[in-house]
Amino acid sequence: QSALTQPASVSGSPGQSITISCTATSSDVGGYKYVSWYQQHPGKVPKLMIYDVSNRPSGVSNRFSGSKSGNTASLTISGLQAEDEADYYCSSYTNSDTRVFGGGTKLTVL
Amino acid sequence: QVQLVQSGAEVKKPGASVKVSCKASGYSFTGYYIHWVRQAPGQGLEWMGWINCNSGGTNYAQKFQGRVTMTRDTSIRTVYMELRSLRYDDTAVYYCARDQATVTTPFFDYWGQGTLVTVSS
Repeated sequence: QSALTQPASVSGSPGQSITISCTATSSDVGGYKYVSWYQQHPGKVPKLMIYDVSNRPSGVSNRFSGSKSGNTASLTISGLQAEDEADYYCSSYTNSDTRVFGGGTKLTVL
Repeated sequence: QVQLVQSGAEVKKPGASVKVSCKASGYSFTGYYIHWVRQAPGQGLEWMGWINCNSGGTNYAQKFQGRVTMTRDTSIRTVYMELRSLRYDDTAVYYCARDQATVTTPFFDYWGQGTLVTVSS
């Protein structure tokens, strides 16, 4: 059982916005300051989408945004596009200098 | 440009060991940590541990303690992950990933292409 809980699946229609939550169930996640999000298309390598809760690497569309409230981090994708259909994983640094991943969320674009 | 190139697919019998390599290029090798993450078929990402490419220090997930060893060879800019006493449920794609923690904050900015390890009798 992961220390980070994500919904197994979310869906949305093109043009809509969706939000994927990532809830820390352990106090070991270091104040939950260092949350990152990764996108993974089938058979592909994970790709960094968000780091430090809300920062977007260069080259990542500004349709992707991150936030945090309490022990729940969220990834929001606005203006949903077919190419956004993928698995999404949150990850966090922990107090013991380890890392942990959420179980992953499958995004379906209807 | 930053690249992490991993060794090829492996097929191992239960109880055997596997050693996967990850060759880094395009950046200061000793300035970063490398992590190993695995993904069983149809499953999510699972963090295994990291190695400090400068000091060689390591930190492993509790689940793999005693069964995994991560090493590096700075002369050839390569990190290795050895997993022993393989079981069927170790069948997975194993990724190496670079951590930005020593430069800014902890996140994985570059990933290797993945190495499929199949455990089969």
